[in-house]
Amino acid sequence: DGGITQSPKYLFRKEGQNVTLSCEQNLNHDAMYWYRQDPGQGLRLIYYSQIVNDFQKGDIAEGYSVSREKKESFPLTVTSAQKNPTAFYLCASSSNRDTDTQYFGPGTRLTVL
Amino acid sequence: AQSVTQLGSHVSVSEGALVLLRCNYSSSVPPYLFWYVQYPNQGLQLLLKYTTGATLVKGINGFEAEFKKSETSFHLTKPSAHMSDAAEYFCAVRVYGGSQGNLIFGKGTKLSVKP
Repeated sequence: DGGITQSPKYLFRKEGQNVTLSCEQNLNHDAMYWYRQDPGQGLRLIYYSQIVNDFQKGDIAEGYSVSREKKESFPLTVTSAQKNPTAFYLCASSSNRDTDTQYFGPGTRLTVL
Repeated sequence: AQSVTQLGSHVSVSEGALVLLRCNYSSSVPPYLFWYVQYPNQGLQLLLKYTTGATLVKGINGFEAEFKKSETSFHLTKPSAHMSDAAEYFCAVRVYGGSQGNLIFGKGTKLSVKP
């Protein structure tokens, strides 16, 4: 089955530690996105990538970093510079033939203690 | 700049009653509009979208939405609520300029369905 996988589903880290969230898709989509979701805030775009080896900052990129070395993978690193990292993180992808439709993964809930 | 406002962070209906979730948008160009649904601790799933053409759009699970340019609205409706409709619903508008495909989401409306 084609889809987007995110791992792990729940992640706990101590304050000051960097943590990397995984996002993999086998939909052969060119574009991938990372969103952060906080209660009552909707989704906010962190980073996006339209092609391999290229990515752009979204609205709230500070304290985050990404890489896009493979078409299938778009990992997100939450660095110690992110002041309030506890949130639900969602990865999405879209095809260049239908950029309007984004397909979402199941999400990773990150809790920083 | 594009933006989306969802009226009501929480809506409660009885099973079998009409569902109406409100969304108003702001856009300087003809908008592309979307409704997504999110079940607890899951990702988002596209319910329906409006790009061009017919202003009444039908989606999955019996939902539909009507694009009304004069009211800058894209409200989501379902004639008869089912318990399984309980979820959070997000309206979104596509951003023009910058990268293709970027969406701006509303803050969401949580739908509760009472038996």
